[in-house]
This record gives sequence, structure tokens and C-alpha cells, in this order.
Amino acid sequence: DAGVIQSPRHEVTEMGQEVTLRCKPISGHDYLFWYRQTMMRGLELLIYFNNNVPIDDSGMPEDRFSAKMPNASFSTLKIQPSEPRDSAVYFCASSAPWQGSPNTGELFFGEGSRLTVL
Amino acid sequence: QKEVEQDPGPLSVPEGAIVSLNCTYSNSAFQYFMWYRQYSRKGPELLMYTYSSGNKEDGRFTAQVDKSSKYISLFIRDSQPSDSATYLCATTSSYKLIFGSGTRLLVRP
Repeated sequence: DAGVIQSPRHEVTEMGQEVTLRCKPISGHDYLFWYRQTMMRGLELLIYFNNNVPIDDSGMPEDRFSAKMPNASFSTLKIQPSEPRDSAVYFCASSAPWQGSPNTGELFFGEGSRLTVL
Repeated sequence: QKEVEQDPGPLSVPEGAIVSLNCTYSNSAFQYFMWYRQYSRKGPELLMYTYSSGNKEDGRFTAQVDKSSKYISLFIRDSQPSDSATYLCATTSSYKLIFGSGTRLLVRP
């Protein structure tokens, strides 16, 4: 398996523009997570899905952010309109189903999408 | 107060040194504890995980959890330049991983 695939790897845009980040999880994984990483705040969970259903979006900073998972092999994170403070590396991660126990924490991360909003 | 606190470093050591990386956490309900390693411009990858208190060893790496003091440690023996990376501790609350901010480690040849 190629691992978690994210695109684009780099995005530079101007304030006010719409940004769409894409993720293809590992086949067979039924949990998908979107994280944001900055120097100031570290790695923050934005939202996660289980079987394509959003379970917890309490980390989404505001209404400008939205995430979808239309099927088991694709998810998007959209920012509209973008602002300079959204500049960060956005990671997508997926994990396998776990039988009868809480998640032991093995998330498989993509290489990230580095977003710069000017 | 953050749920998981970690000194950001950077920590610079000579090759062969023993490295100690540490985190504290606030919620006594946390039971699973992980260490992730992140190389520059890459995503984090799981290095080790432990359940509840105690030690776990894997080669040159030892993870230690002290639930009484809410303290998590990672020890690296005989450190190598290839160990230079950011190390993130993490713990679980239900199905969510909560990460520390990461400690940047540089092992000098």
C-alpha cells in the first residue's frame, strides 16, 4: 500500500481565497483524522471520521473550515475564505479498526500539505 | 493548561549519548501512551506505545510511564545522528490522540 496520500504538498494562496486539501487514506482503515501543525500550537486534531461519518469536529477552528468524506477512499478539508493565520502544515492520518479495545494510537500519517496564506 | 505538556527543546547531544525525553499529562483517565517520531518535512510515525504504567523496551528505545506522577519518558541509548528528529508524546482520550508539542532532538556526529 502506498500509505496515506495527501495533495497538494504545498499551497500558496492569497487571503480570501478558497483552499481545498485532499486525502486518500490507507485502504481498509475506517478512521480518518485531520490534524494541523504549527510551531506555536503543535499538532492539533481538527476533526475525525469513522466509516465516513464525522464523529468529532470540536477542533475545527471556525465556520470557515469544513471537512467531508464522501467515500471510504477520499476526504477533503476546505478553508473558505482563507486567512494568514491558517498558514500551517495540515496532516491527514488513518487508522485500522480495532476489535474490542480503544484505539491504541497507531495512526498512519501522510506527508502533509504545507499551506501558506499571504 | 494543555492536556499534554512537552519541552520543545531543541536538545543537542553527541553521538552515543543517552537521551531522555519527557512529557507530563493532566488527565488521570488516560491509559495509552505513545511516542511518535517526525523527521523534517514528513508526517509523524509511531515509535512505541505503552499501556498504563511501566516500562517497554524496543532495541535502543525504552518508554516509561509513571501514572502516579502523570509522567511519560522516552530513553534512547547509544544515540545516532539518524535519531535526529522531533519526538512527540501522545495519549488517547476515547478515539482521539492528543499530542504534546514535540521535542526537537539533534544528535551530533
